[in-house]
Amino acid sequence: GDSVTQMEGPVTLSEEAFLTINCTYTATGYPSLFWYVQYPGEGLQLLLKATKADDKGSNKGFEATYRKETTSFHLEKGSVQVSDSAVYFCALSDRGNTPLVFGKGTRLSVIA
Amino acid sequence: EPEVTQTPSHQVTQMGQEVILRCVPISNHLYFYWYRQILGQKVEFLVSFYNNEISEKSEIFDDQFSVERPDGSNFTLKIRSTKLEDSAMYFCASSETGTNEKLFFGSGTQLSVL
Repeated sequence: GDSVTQMEGPVTLSEEAFLTINCTYTATGYPSLFWYVQYPGEGLQLLLKATKADDKGSNKGFEATYRKETTSFHLEKGSVQVSDSAVYFCALSDRGNTPLVFGKGTRLSVIA
Repeated sequence: EPEVTQTPSHQVTQMGQEVILRCVPISNHLYFYWYRQILGQKVEFLVSFYNNEISEKSEIFDDQFSVERPDGSNFTLKIRSTKLEDSAMYFCASSETGTNEKLFFGSGTQLSVL
């Protein structure tokens, strides 16, 4: 079945450092890809998405590009802030309304 | 901004006991979901609910689990006889349109079965 693998955490970075969180997927079709973020004490929130190959999703300075050839959707940010400290989840769905398949989540801590 | 509310935030129960996890979805939403995350594992889909019936469920969602929308505002997950392996963070979610682009999650209920 479909699956998502993302890099293990925790990841600790200094403020203004470059962030990459790797995510690869296995799917039979052409899934939509998502990054969700969970800030402390809050629910998962959609951070960005991409629905077809070579699409780039972006939001709040974060970006991820749907790479069909490498089945990847890595999350990047050029300069992280302390407020970016959260757990980041990569996810896919076969179609727009099918259940999400998540990775384990990667905890990011950004220190000043 | 409207949000999905889950109560309680933590629940401790004894093995074999029944638990009910409660969720208040966003008021104009019509599609409701439960996901869970066992510590150290992936977030897993349990069930989706629309028009007062289950629309899809995973193999995890066996006869021990049930969902209900008892009134116009609450959406509940009942585990009839809890097992140790039911210990997990349970997330409720709701959507107005049923699409993942418009899915809103609650902050979760941490269930600990002793």
